[in-house]
Amino acid sequence: GAGVSQTPSNKVTEKGKYVELRCDPISGHTALYWYRQSLGQGPEFLIYFQGTGAADDSGLPNDRFFAVRPEGSVSTLKIQRTERGDSAVYLCASSSGTTKTGELFFGEGSRLTVL
Amino acid sequence: QKEVEQDPGPLSVPEGAIVSLNCTYSNSAFQYFMWYRQYSRKGPELLMYTYSSGNKEDGRFTAQVDKSSKYISLFIRDSQPSDSATYLCAMSRRTGANNLFFGTGTRLTVIP
Repeated sequence: GAGVSQTPSNKVTEKGKYVELRCDPISGHTALYWYRQSLGQGPEFLIYFQGTGAADDSGLPNDRFFAVRPEGSVSTLKIQRTERGDSAVYLCASSSGTTKTGELFFGEGSRLTVL
Repeated sequence: QKEVEQDPGPLSVPEGAIVSLNCTYSNSAFQYFMWYRQYSRKGPELLMYTYSSGNKEDGRFTAQVDKSSKYISLFIRDSQPSDSATYLCAMSRRTGANNLFFGTGTRLTVIP
C-alpha cells in the first residue's frame, strides 16, 4: 500500500480481555517497529522486526505483550489480560534497508482504551 | 531523569512569527537527531534529520544540533496555521539503530 496501515483505528475493551492490533507496512519495507504513545507523551519503543524475526524486543513491558510477523510483512501485536494502564495509541512504523537512520514511516495508530 | 527532555508547551504564536522549539538530552552517545511533526490523531512524520552537530535548513525550517551542550533546536520561520501540530524531537545512538528515543512533544498553535 501507499502507507503504513493499522487496524483497528480504535479498540475499546474491558480489563482482562485479549486484544490483537494489526499492522500492514509499506510494501517492500523489511524493518517494522511497534511503539506505544501514552497521552501527552512521546512514542516509546516496544519491539523491532527485521524480516520475520524479532531483532529487539527489549521495549515490551512484560510477558503479556507479544508480537509476530510470520511472513515478514504484516505484524500483529497481541496483548493478554489487558490492564487499564495499557490504554494508549499503539503506533506501527516501517523502514527499508536504504532508509536513513531514524527515518521511520508511521501509521496513524490503533487507539486502545481499556475500561 | 529521562534521556530526552522537551517542554510540552502548549505554545501559541501569531501567524508569521518565528518559532523556536528545543530539546535537551543526557546521553552523549546520541549522534542522529530528528524532528517529527504529528497532527492530531495522526502518526508522526519525519520533518528534519541531522547527523552530529551543525545546522540544516529546509525551506522555512532550520534544525540545529549542539552536541557540546546536548541541545537541539528547530526553528520555523514565517509560521503558518498549517504548522499547528505537535513537534517531537527524536534521537538515536548509531546507524541502523533499531529504536528512537523521543521527547514528549511540544504542542504548537499558529493563530491566523
